Order: sequence, then C-alpha cells, then structure tokens
Amino acid sequence: DAKTTQPPSMDCAEGRAANLPCNHSTISGNEYVYWYRQIHSQGPQYIIHGLKNNETNEMASLIITEDRKSSTLILPHATLRDTAVYYCIVSYSMNRDDKIIFGKGTRLHILP
Amino acid sequence: AAGVIQSPRHLIKEKRETATLKCYPIPRHDTVYWYQQGPGQDPQFLISFYEKMQSDKGSIPDRFSAQQFSDYHSELNMSSLELGDSALYFCASRSRRVMDTGELFFGEGSRLTVL
Repeated sequence: DAKTTQPPSMDCAEGRAANLPCNHSTISGNEYVYWYRQIHSQGPQYIIHGLKNNETNEMASLIITEDRKSSTLILPHATLRDTAVYYCIVSYSMNRDDKIIFGKGTRLHILP
Repeated sequence: AAGVIQSPRHLIKEKRETATLKCYPIPRHDTVYWYQQGPGQDPQFLISFYEKMQSDKGSIPDRFSAQQFSDYHSELNMSSLELGDSALYFCASRSRRVMDTGELFFGEGSRLTVL
C-alpha cells in the first residue's frame, strides 16, 4: 500500500504558485520524499526529492515539515504545461526499498 | 543523455496469446522496475530486479514472468493474455550506488491492447 495521501485534484491559475500537499505520517527516519509527475500517458518524470531540509531545483521547491509527516511541492510560476498528475512517494534513496509504490496522486489543472 | 528505452511502443494481441516487452535501462543503472497502468489508473508496481536478481514483487499475475539479463536489460513475458491486461506498461531504472540520488527514470511505456 502507498505510504502517502494526497488530494485527488487541485486547480491553480496560470502564473501563480501551485502548492501540492502530501501526508506521509508513517515515514521512517531514513526514507526520502520523492515527487514525480505524469503528463497525460507519458512516463512519470522525476521532479525533486528531500530527506529533512527544504530543497529547490530548476523545476520546483520541496518543503518538508520538521516532524517529516507532511510535505508540500511548490511550482513557483505554474504554466499550462504543468497540468499533470503529481505523485508523492516515500522511498529509501539507495537500497532495500525495491517496491516503490505510487499512490493516488493529485491531478493538477492549470487554468488560463 | 541516454534514457530508458522500451520496445515495442505499441502492441496488439488477441486473447490467450503471448506478449513480450523489453526494457533497456540507463547505462550504469543496476535496478529495473516494471509497472502496469490501466486506463485512468495509477501505476501499479509489478516486479523489480537488482543486479539480475528479482528483488521484489508486487501485484504481478502468475501468467506474467520477467527477468533481467547480463546486459541489464529486462523482459516482461505475458502469457494467456486477457482483455484486462490491456494497459500501459512502464519500465523504470535507477542506480543504487551511494553517489547517486536514487530517483527513478521511466521509459515512455509500451501500450498493450488485447482484443
């Protein structure tokens, strides 16, 4: 079973920041939070991941709460091309966890 | 940069036939995963391999089998196909080396249609 829960859908106006929440209350100490997105029927695409600290890359920012039980993916200036299903996944980074489970994901609609 | 390559991209089979999907991971990646995604569904984990050995199993039917070869490519074999096997099948690879970040890289998928 997936270790994460996400809202099924969200809307965001084009140009605004999209904030996608994820709950992972059973996360263990050395599990990472990964975010992927799937545009239509393409292969899921890696966005960002983190362990404890907030992370930022060219695509997004990841905010992880201090207790690590939830996180938020931020797309700072959403465009129509960001319309996709976004998946939050908890996984060990490098070993042991070979059953990487996708949950239900959040369908993000960017509104023009 | 090289990506995960899947073939064929599209496949049409009749019920009770057999299908084989192939996956070529990114060079140096040692772990391969297979996922099945039905229409309107989320990707479902089927099976994974690390260094040519099966490492974990998900909801893979007994009619399906898979293996990873010495060159790290993997094949998913599906027999006695049923209408419900119609889906997108994704392969993903990752590196479990310490210096790598461990994210999954996905192929573009193989779309299987069973008639």
